[in-house]
Amino acid sequence: KAGVTQTPRYLIKTRGQQVTLSCSPISGHRSVSWYQQTPGQGLQFLFEYFSETQRNKGNFPGRFSGRQFSNSRSEMNVSTLELGDSALYLCASSLGDRGNTGELFFGEGSRLTVL
Amino acid sequence: AQSVTQLDSQVPVFEEAPVELRCNYSSSVSVYLFWYVQYPNQGLQLLLKYLSGSTLVKGINGFEAEFNKSQTSFHLRKPSVHISDTAEYFCAVTPNSGYSTLTFGKGTMLLVSP
Repeated sequence: KAGVTQTPRYLIKTRGQQVTLSCSPISGHRSVSWYQQTPGQGLQFLFEYFSETQRNKGNFPGRFSGRQFSNSRSEMNVSTLELGDSALYLCASSLGDRGNTGELFFGEGSRLTVL
Repeated sequence: AQSVTQLDSQVPVFEEAPVELRCNYSSSVSVYLFWYVQYPNQGLQLLLKYLSGSTLVKGINGFEAEFNKSQTSFHLRKPSVHISDTAEYFCAVTPNSGYSTLTFGKGTMLLVSP
């Protein structure tokens, strides 16, 4: 079974630009969660999508948004990039519904550098 | 809401020595507990999980953890570490409904030296 795939793995942007990150979950998984990882703040939850609907949301500004498609693939977008948005963005998938144990399966992440 | 405290940001240890990484959590409801490991430039990999039943949980790579409900702890242990165990370890919690997201601790960097 293929794991969680994130693209791109690395990217460099400048302040004010916007970025879109992509995540393909494990086949059969309907929930996709996004986390931001930085040395200072650790792993912070951004949002979770289940069956194309945002089910949970973390405490991030509106510049951070996401969506999920009918095939469960997900994208997240960050607009008007700031230096502080430099981070590793991790996507994780899970079954998301009845029988779900809460276990998340992570991709390798997209490392964003904002200059 | 849940919270997780990992009491040590770094744990240095010599190869073949035992190690314990400490994790305490706070929650008003029953929870599932997890330990994940992250190697450099990689995502998180599940080491072990506690859902219910026996409080001693065994995971991959020789790690085990013990759930202590009264002390709200879920400490990770390994009797003999290897250089290859050098990585960052994260404790995480979620309500046992299974529908919520994971809340992570800040992580503990395990540094194994020869």
